[in-house]
Amino acid sequence: SQQGEEDPQALSIQEGENATMNCSYKTSINNLQWYRQNSGRGLVHLILIRSNEREKHSGRLRVTLDTSKKSSSLLITASRAADTASYFCATDDLGSNYKLTFGKGTLLTVNP
Amino acid sequence: GAVVSQHPSWVICKSGTSVKIECRSLDFQATTMFWYRQFPKQSLMLMATSNEGSKATYEQGVEKDKFLINHASLTLSTLTVTSAHPEDSSFYICSAGGPILAKNIQYFGAGTRLSVL
Repeated sequence: SQQGEEDPQALSIQEGENATMNCSYKTSINNLQWYRQNSGRGLVHLILIRSNEREKHSGRLRVTLDTSKKSSSLLITASRAADTASYFCATDDLGSNYKLTFGKGTLLTVNP
Repeated sequence: GAVVSQHPSWVICKSGTSVKIECRSLDFQATTMFWYRQFPKQSLMLMATSNEGSKATYEQGVEKDKFLINHASLTLSTLTVTSAHPEDSSFYICSAGGPILAKNIQYFGAGTRLSVL
């Protein structure tokens, strides 16, 4: 079942600005992942944060995880037009047998 | 990273015909593959989990006789939409994951857009 809720559903910014997307979930998790999907394409894994981690960086990406609030955020710094895509959080729930539960996604538009 | 190839990328068929979609892991062995369906501007809906050499596990509400899944080898899973109807038109995406891959990251195919006339 879908449990992740991304916020906002859509975000439009100018190139060079930072973009922040949030995700909430409901159950206990092993880890939380963020994926990116370009229009009409498959998903690409961006970053994974384990349940015992609070923050993780990868290039221009910064992910935070607050298990007490069951929420995560994805920050993209110095955005580029090529970052335009939909971003989904996905939780690896305890006992899920390798299934991932995807959120509804945030559509990010970066205007040149 | 691991590469998953999905074919075809786009298919148009007449109502009542069957369509087969292939999902291949090109540079690794995928013990587990997942099939998703995605409606426009919506999230992915998991249809079934496919384990090599065993029957697929379908999610609640997914008709197993309608969506036939076969995972005969460690590199290939297929989804057959049988007797397709216009309401089956959608974007279908496969992914490979499971215990053989580290950290339960899933690697996705590029998706198949199915249009049933």
